Amino acid sequence: KNQVEQSPQSLIILEGKNCTLQCNYTVSPFSNLRWYKQDTGRGPVSLTIMTFSENTKSNGRYTATLDADTKQSSLHITASQLSDSASYICVVSDRGSTLGRLYFGRGTQLTVWP
Amino acid sequence: EADIYQTPRYLVIGTGKKITLECSQTMGHDKMYWYQQDPGMELHLIHYSYGVNSTEKGDLSSESTVSRIRTEHFPLTLESARPSHTSQYLCASVSGGTGSTEQYFGPGTRLTVT
Repeated sequence: KNQVEQSPQSLIILEGKNCTLQCNYTVSPFSNLRWYKQDTGRGPVSLTIMTFSENTKSNGRYTATLDADTKQSSLHITASQLSDSASYICVVSDRGSTLGRLYFGRGTQLTVWP
Repeated sequence: EADIYQTPRYLVIGTGKKITLECSQTMGHDKMYWYQQDPGMELHLIHYSYGVNSTEKGDLSSESTVSRIRTEHFPLTLESARPSHTSQYLCASVSGGTGSTEQYFGPGTRLTVT
């Protein structure tokens, strides 16, 4: 069964600290992995997209890694800011159809305290 | 910022009412999607469309219907709302093609059925 599991479920850190969010997946055949940021009451916004051949991709203070062999990804946030408080969702796409079926994790709820 | 819009943003309605959630995008995208998301849970695909006059049901059984008469417009209709329909509904669109194409989300509609 194709699944996407994220950990931790929630995380509280102090402003300025770094943190790492984890994503494990069993989706096959793999096409790409995306990290989204979703503010409360808003739609998800894409942070990174990685294909099979990409190991790391950065977007400002966000750095995503991908290990396609172990089917694991991480999202590292550097020097956290209060505006980073949001849910971070890992989404994996398969290659099985034109739709590029998306499998969503439940997200990690990050809270940054001043 | 993606040019995809949803109205209303919030809706409280009584049981048995007919409602239509609006979604429109100005990017000329062929593929559009409706997702349902409960708090702290993953997004579930309920409907999708590959283009005008093309609509399909997603993974999650839904009593809603959709139509795609124009490329830019993908409304979702509930003929008779029930409390079990209370949820957040997210619309998304993707440009044509497969692989690492970006999926853009609207801001969502928070529906409460009393």
